[in-house]
Amino acid sequence: QVQLQESGPGLVKPSQTLSLTCTVSGGSISSGGYYWNWIRQHPGKGLEWIGFIYYSGTTYYTPSLKSRVTISVDTSKNQFSLKLSSVTAADTAVYYCARVPNGVWDFDYWGQGTLVTVSS
Amino acid sequence: QSALTQPASVSGSPGQSITVSCTGISSDVGDYNYISWYQLHPGKAPKLMIYEVSNRPSGVPDRISGSKSGNTASLTISGLQAEDEADYYCSSYTSSSPRWVFGGGTKVTVL
Repeated sequence: QVQLQESGPGLVKPSQTLSLTCTVSGGSISSGGYYWNWIRQHPGKGLEWIGFIYYSGTTYYTPSLKSRVTISVDTSKNQFSLKLSSVTAADTAVYYCARVPNGVWDFDYWGQGTLVTVSS
Repeated sequence: QSALTQPASVSGSPGQSITVSCTGISSDVGDYNYISWYQLHPGKAPKLMIYEVSNRPSGVPDRISGSKSGNTASLTISGLQAEDEADYYCSSYTSSSPRWVFGGGTKVTVL
């Protein structure tokens, strides 16, 4: 059974960089065949897809966040990470990591999410 | 404002059927059959309930079903049970950026 678990600071100051890591268990990122994603949910709002990374390092980001987002992968640790720079209160959200099988295009496994609050 | 439009809430009594709609446009819901539905409970990992419009992953009961007509997808829950009370989100793959769009979510309440 594949499991994903987000980790990182729950509080980030405005203008700083939000950094989160997703640890994958029950499957290897380096085996390929999947896209590894970050998704967020603002308080009381809908879901927003942020971007994905493939095990090879290929990335794709949503245009509205592209200038501030970096997603990276560490196959030796079976982890992938999200960095979002120059954060504001508008970046306060629950951040989820999720897996998409190549060619199926749905999010079949998710982490339980982690709340990140941007506040001084 | 979310890219896909869902009703904010839907309710029904135990045993009844409810339907949650998800309306997009021709470049997402209308063009692709990569429509999926997710169940969210607070503090728990979101769960895939339907993929590719109408397919159920292993473990999802057959009283959960999905369909699509034109630019609108639908999730139907038959024989409503207390455990079905949750937030439900639709998603569509899209040819343009961003690659995936979501609905604003529907709170399903079992009366």
